Amino acid sequence: AIRMTQSPSSLSASTRDRLTITCRASQDVGTDLAWYQQKPGEAPNLLIYDASTLHSGVPSRFIGSGSGTDFTLSIIGLQSEDFATYFCQQYKTFPLTFGRGTKVDI
Amino acid sequence: VQLVESGGGAVQPGRSLRLSCRVSGLNSRDYSIHWVRQAPGKGLEWVAMISPDGENKFYEDSVKGRFIISRDDSKNVIFLQMNSPRTEDTARYYCAMHEYDDTDYFDVWGQGTLVAVSS
Repeated sequence: AIRMTQSPSSLSASTRDRLTITCRASQDVGTDLAWYQQKPGEAPNLLIYDASTLHSGVPSRFIGSGSGTDFTLSIIGLQSEDFATYFCQQYKTFPLTFGRGTKVDI
Repeated sequence: VQLVESGGGAVQPGRSLRLSCRVSGLNSRDYSIHWVRQAPGKGLEWVAMISPDGENKFYEDSVKGRFIISRDDSKNVIFLQMNSPRTEDTARYYCAMHEYDDTDYFDVWGQGTLVAVSS
């Protein structure tokens, strides 16, 4: 199975900050990489797919980049509603695999 | 489009439990449906997938041979039969899909159903 390594596992930030989360795949996944946001008690929400395509309705401050094995999710100008946990997921091959998550708190 | 899971609860190791995912707002027969789980305080783990025609099924290694995914498109319902559950299967189980493409990332999720495996 492809292993997805996310870092950091947690970080503290303030509103208006710029932050970057990284996700590394143990094998080449091309651009078959998605990012999700999850808030406590809720199901995950899709942010980005195909490594860099913003899902409909997601604010433009979320930016995805990368290909192959190295990917990043950046949030430019953090808002209060962005404090959540973020997961990457590869869908290049089965079994589908997720990163272990990055918790962003104040 | 809405996904609603049911069937969770407490189950003893080695017994069985069947989860259901009811799809509304579209014909489930046209879509791959996945199960994803999340243990308390942990990350997301993909569990299983069934193709639109039901012919292709994929499983996470730890559930192969124990869990069975199936579908009844006449009722717009997808099932996850959990046989011989283990304590490490304790989690909230979500069903998930992509609304517009037959792809394997998810823009529609249910709210999940909680499974607790304990003696």
